[in-house]
Amino acid sequence: KQEVTQIPAALSVPEGENLVLNCSFTDSAIYNLQWFRQDPGKGLTSLLLIQSSQREQTSGRLNASLDKSSGRSTLYIAASQPGDSATYLCAVRPGAGSYQLTFGKGTKLSVIP
Amino acid sequence: GAVVSQHPSRVICKSGTSVKIECRSLDFQATTMFWYRQFPKQSLMLMATSNEGSKATYEQGVEKDKFLINHASLTLSTLTVTSAHPEDSSFYICSARDRKTLPGNTIYFGEGSWLTVV
Repeated sequence: KQEVTQIPAALSVPEGENLVLNCSFTDSAIYNLQWFRQDPGKGLTSLLLIQSSQREQTSGRLNASLDKSSGRSTLYIAASQPGDSATYLCAVRPGAGSYQLTFGKGTKLSVIP
Repeated sequence: GAVVSQHPSRVICKSGTSVKIECRSLDFQATTMFWYRQFPKQSLMLMATSNEGSKATYEQGVEKDKFLINHASLTLSTLTVTSAHPEDSSFYICSARDRKTLPGNTIYFGEGSWLTVV
């Protein structure tokens, strides 16, 4: 059974810092991995999706990497801003024919002005 | 791009009553939708897979008679929490599979619904 772990559970950084969020998964046989953002009281916003054949994806100040063989992914946020404060979730999809995602518990990020 | 809409975004209901949450795919047909639940400080956990025109498939430990799922059309799935209790208070979110996106079909998430049972 796939398990997804996110470390740290919470992170507080001063504005302007670069930071890395970590995600690990136990079964490396994945189809893709996705990072989401969840604001308090809100739903999910998809940030980046990495296919199993890819090593990284970038969107603006965000960069996600994937090392499938070691079961790890990182989300790098450059020049953090208070508006980046949210919970970041990592989720893996097991196969092309499977559509149920397994989520981690998330990392709660606070960017202090 | 494709959008999945969930309604209501927030609902408060009295203990013992039933509440319905809708999940709609706005610009694509979704033969398969998924319902997840998230308790505070926990992961989103899959509750059930909703299949258009057939019975939903429930994950182990999810009560079929309590969480009724209906997928009557290609764009709408509903989750009804029957005889709700305070412990059912949670964040419920749906996702939908767009069969026309290849390869592998893209999965889109709704914005979620916060249920509070008082």
